[in-house]
Amino acid sequence: GAVVSQHPSRVICKSGTSVKIECRSLDFQATTMFWYRQFPKKSLMLMATSNEGSKATYEQGVEKDKFLINHASLTLSTLTVTSAHPEDSSFYICSAIQGGDSPLHFGNGTRLTVT
Amino acid sequence: QKEVEQDPGPLSVPEGAIVSLNCTYSNSAFQYFMWYRQYSRKGPELLMYTYSSGNKEDGRFTAQVDKSSKYISLFIRDSQPSDSATYLCAIFNSGNTPLVFGKGTRLSVIA
Repeated sequence: GAVVSQHPSRVICKSGTSVKIECRSLDFQATTMFWYRQFPKKSLMLMATSNEGSKATYEQGVEKDKFLINHASLTLSTLTVTSAHPEDSSFYICSAIQGGDSPLHFGNGTRLTVT
Repeated sequence: QKEVEQDPGPLSVPEGAIVSLNCTYSNSAFQYFMWYRQYSRKGPELLMYTYSSGNKEDGRFTAQVDKSSKYISLFIRDSQPSDSATYLCAIFNSGNTPLVFGKGTRLSVIA
């Protein structure tokens, strides 16, 4: 089945620093990637939709200057949390879709802790 | 009315029981239906994907879609402790539009 790899799985950083999270589709080309955030015992919250070669579309309330998304190729998208603060601590999950009617596949998530 | 409604549970069943998980949705334009399983601290894993009314079976799992009632179900037969997880229903219209997720149902299968 389709595999989406997300790295790192866990990161701890100091307040004010930036963190980059990578999302790769390993065995298919992803026309679109989605980034989600999930709080404990809560459902997934869509942050942004990213299409290869174009600017990401952010959901209402998500700061695009804080959560920088780059979708440089059909197999790689990155999320950079800039000037991280403790309230940015969360579980971030990427997902990728091949296109058309294909289902969505998720990475295993990145647990970010900002101290 | 929310686009997708899913009872968050928690749902606790004995090992071997048949589990029924359900979602309702409001927009009849939705065409594609998925069920994901999410273990704690992991990303969701695709279990079932269907786009037509009726049943789809895969091992112990059966997905059921009733488009006329806007109701989808996931049945788990002979449930196992390893099935303990959160189950999310997800639907979308077509193309690369974002999925709409239910809130997820937490299931515990007790040995």
